[in-house]
Amino acid sequence: QQKVQQSPESLIVPEGGMASLNCTSSDRNVDYFWWYRQHSGKSPKMLMSIFSNGEKEEGRFTVHLNKASLHTSLHIRDSQPSDSALYLCAASMRAEGADRLTFGKGTQLIIQP
Amino acid sequence: EAGVTQSPRYAVLQEGQAVSFWCDPISGHDTLYWYQQPRDQGPQLLVYFRDEAVIDNSQLPSDRFSAVRPKGTNSTLKIQSAKQGDTATYLCASSFGRGSNERLFFGHGTKLSVL
Repeated sequence: QQKVQQSPESLIVPEGGMASLNCTSSDRNVDYFWWYRQHSGKSPKMLMSIFSNGEKEEGRFTVHLNKASLHTSLHIRDSQPSDSALYLCAASMRAEGADRLTFGKGTQLIIQP
Repeated sequence: EAGVTQSPRYAVLQEGQAVSFWCDPISGHDTLYWYQQPRDQGPQLLVYFRDEAVIDNSQLPSDRFSAVRPKGTNSTLKIQSAKQGDTATYLCASSFGRGSNERLFFGHGTKLSVL
């Protein structure tokens, strides 16, 4: 069973709208969560990481983390066509940092002009 | 700053053939990772090195896969006797730093098709 579950599998959002992506870990040992973005045919690139309960904002991107439920969400406001990509959530234990990332299957985001 | 470089970009094999993938990490990055990303899935860690030492190869199918990083810089991942189930993109990544300061930088990957 996948230890990192992402939902939805795919999402279509109109340009300028808000995209909300979800991720939950079933491994209670994890402490860190990472969000990567992968454009078609390209390599994954880290967007944001979050390690503490609460919210973290960088530009149009906001990440939330609830450590009790091991749930993180990524919100993209004012979505642009260039945001169309596969969004990957990954989790790891504090002691391992980014050494043993467990990735989910991803959410395919399509921004419609 | 130069990124992580991988070659070849694509490989097409018949079952039973061997193939090698090469990775040049970002200069100064001590940790190097090999991930396998099947189509429509997230990357899955195969093996990772700190300098020239293998730290974890528990997910590497050891009977047919091998990986080396002899001088702690470039790395080679080899598949002996490829199977159709090995069809995937093989991503190399490198990093420097530990814990919350660490982030992975991925190469473009090698897309492998085994017919």
